[in-house]
Amino acid sequence: KQEVTQIPAALSVPEGENLVLNCSFTDSAIYNLQWFRQDPGKGLTSLLLIQSSQREQTSGRLNASLDKSSGRSTLYIAASQPGDSATYLCAVRLSGAGSYQLTFGKGTKLSVIP
Amino acid sequence: DAGVIQSPRHEVTEMGQEVTLRCKPISGHNSLFWYRQTMMRGLELLIYFNNNVPIDDSGMPEDRFSAKMPNASFSTLKIQPSEPRDSAVYFCASSFFNGPNEQFFGPGTRLTVL
Repeated sequence: KQEVTQIPAALSVPEGENLVLNCSFTDSAIYNLQWFRQDPGKGLTSLLLIQSSQREQTSGRLNASLDKSSGRSTLYIAASQPGDSATYLCAVRLSGAGSYQLTFGKGTKLSVIP
Repeated sequence: DAGVIQSPRHEVTEMGQEVTLRCKPISGHNSLFWYRQTMMRGLELLIYFNNNVPIDDSGMPEDRFSAKMPNASFSTLKIQPSEPRDSAVYFCASSFFNGPNEQFFGPGTRLTVL
């Protein structure tokens, strides 16, 4: 059974700092990995999707990397801003015919202090 | 595109009452997912539809839960009778199965059963 772990559970940083959020998974036979952002009381917003054949994806100040062999992904946020404060979740989809289910981590709650 | 639409956004009901949650997926998407999110268990997949057909309902907690997708643009999740332990945020998500399969989430329905 795929398990996804995100460490730390919470992180507080001053504005302007670069930071890294970590995600690890137990089964390396993944189809893709998706990073989401969740604001309090809101739904999940998809940030980046990395296919298993890719090493990284970038969107603005966000960069996500994937190392399948070690079962790890990182989300790098450059020049953090208070508006980046949210919970960040990673989710993996296993490879294989008919595979569709996303397995989620519990998330990292990020607070960017002005 | 309006994104995934869910209604109601908030629902407060008494134990034993029937609850119906509604979802309109993104136009053109052929996969639909219902999730439940709680503090204790995080995000859990309840049921998955592909081309309006339920493919996997193994996550549905018990017979009190049922879901339908009568057409490509509408799905319901029904709880009858509701219990206090059903209190959670219920999310609907959709994706295009034959593509990158990036899942897009609705804003969720916060259910409180008294």
